[in-house]
Amino acid sequence: AQTVTQSQPEMSVQEAETVTLSCTYDTSESDYYLFWYKQPPSRQMILVIRQEAYKQQNATENRFSVNFQKAAKSFSLKISDSQLGDAAMYFCAYRGDSGYALNFGKGTSLLVTP
Amino acid sequence: NAGVTQTPKFRVLKTGQSMTLLCAQDMNHEYMYWYRQDPGMGLRLIHYSVGEGTTAKGEVPDGYNVSRLKKQNFLLGLESAAPSQTSVYFCASSPDGIPKQFFGPGTRLTVL
Repeated sequence: AQTVTQSQPEMSVQEAETVTLSCTYDTSESDYYLFWYKQPPSRQMILVIRQEAYKQQNATENRFSVNFQKAAKSFSLKISDSQLGDAAMYFCAYRGDSGYALNFGKGTSLLVTP
Repeated sequence: NAGVTQTPKFRVLKTGQSMTLLCAQDMNHEYMYWYRQDPGMGLRLIHYSVGEGTTAKGEVPDGYNVSRLKKQNFLLGLESAAPSQTSVYFCASSPDGIPKQFFGPGTRLTVL
């Protein structure tokens, strides 16, 4: 079974600064997908960014980018120019190429201070 | 498009009562999923379906049953609710061949 570990239960960042959220995973598969989901107080799960394991280039979406280290099984999320609206729980998730469902980490609560 | 909708949004049950949660999607997705989210935990898969008429167990299936009689609907049933089933339940769907999952708004269930 694949496991996803988020070692930072809580993180804090000042508005306009940069923060990095960590995620590691364990798998024996060679092809898979990794995701970061944002869950604001509304509870809605919002996809932030997605990375395919076969792609060497790190995914980026506006202020969000990842550092994907396949050999180290590490998948961190960098948020640049942090905004108050970025405050939320962030979940790292894994899906194997042969599977269907997502395996989630326990989440990191991000606080953004003015 | 409404996307993925869940009914009800909130529910309080007494131990031993039964209920059904309804998930509906209007995106013609093949795959549908039920997850539960507990405090301090990520989402955990209860059951999933890879097409109309099919269902399969996930990580935490005990105490739940599901049915997918129509492609657009995925029902989650609790036959005899227990306090351990107090949780937030999320439904999700995804199209065939694309790993992105679309989530519903969640249902907060409390079992007293």
